[in-house]
Amino acid sequence: EAGVAQSPRYKIIEKRQSVAFWCNPISGHATLYWYQQILGQGPKLLIQFQNNGVVDDSQLPKDRFSAERLKGVDSTLKIQPAKLEDSAVYLCATQAYDLGTGGSEQFFGPGTRLTVL
Amino acid sequence: GEDVEQSLFLSVREGDSSVINCTYTDSSSTYLYWYKQEPGAGLQLLTYIFSNMDMKQDQRLTVLLNKKDKHLSLRIADTQTGDSAIYFCAGGSKRSGGYQKVTFGTGTKLQVIP
Repeated sequence: EAGVAQSPRYKIIEKRQSVAFWCNPISGHATLYWYQQILGQGPKLLIQFQNNGVVDDSQLPKDRFSAERLKGVDSTLKIQPAKLEDSAVYLCATQAYDLGTGGSEQFFGPGTRLTVL
Repeated sequence: GEDVEQSLFLSVREGDSSVINCTYTDSSSTYLYWYKQEPGAGLQLLTYIFSNMDMKQDQRLTVLLNKKDKHLSLRIADTQTGDSAIYFCAGGSKRSGGYQKVTFGTGTKLQVIP
């Protein structure tokens, strides 16, 4: 099966500019996550979708970050305006919904490396 | 929220065993995962263990779970240069509605010396 696709792979912007990232999940995966991975750290959850509904956005800086998942398939993450500390890799991951066990493998995309100058 | 901690760096010689350790705080974690991240790539699931298990073996990988101490370890037998990567421990807890929340550790960089 095709994996999780993300674009762009790299993006360089100046602070106060806007940027958007796109994720195309594995077909049929109901759960979609956006993570921020700062250099030298583990991924930090920004937002979790179940189909097109938000399950958890408690760590999303909502004054500048927004995300949507239209029709429960593709998702976009936007930063407006960007700050220097937003420099990180933004990872999208998807998971088949498993109500019975509550856990299964997350499949990660290759990430988008954002540099804010 | 959950905290997951790991040592930052481990260096081993090719052919030796590697042991990467992890501690977590959330006793309600139902799944504990080990992911591998190679440079410039996303995370790849290596193995996972249910919280009601003590041990899981999968080819060269052995996972040990001490639930009382909230300690998880990953042992890689006969470590190869291709095992050089960053290894992340993660805890998954079930939330209301059946959805899973996963919290990742800071990662352990494994360096394999030929």
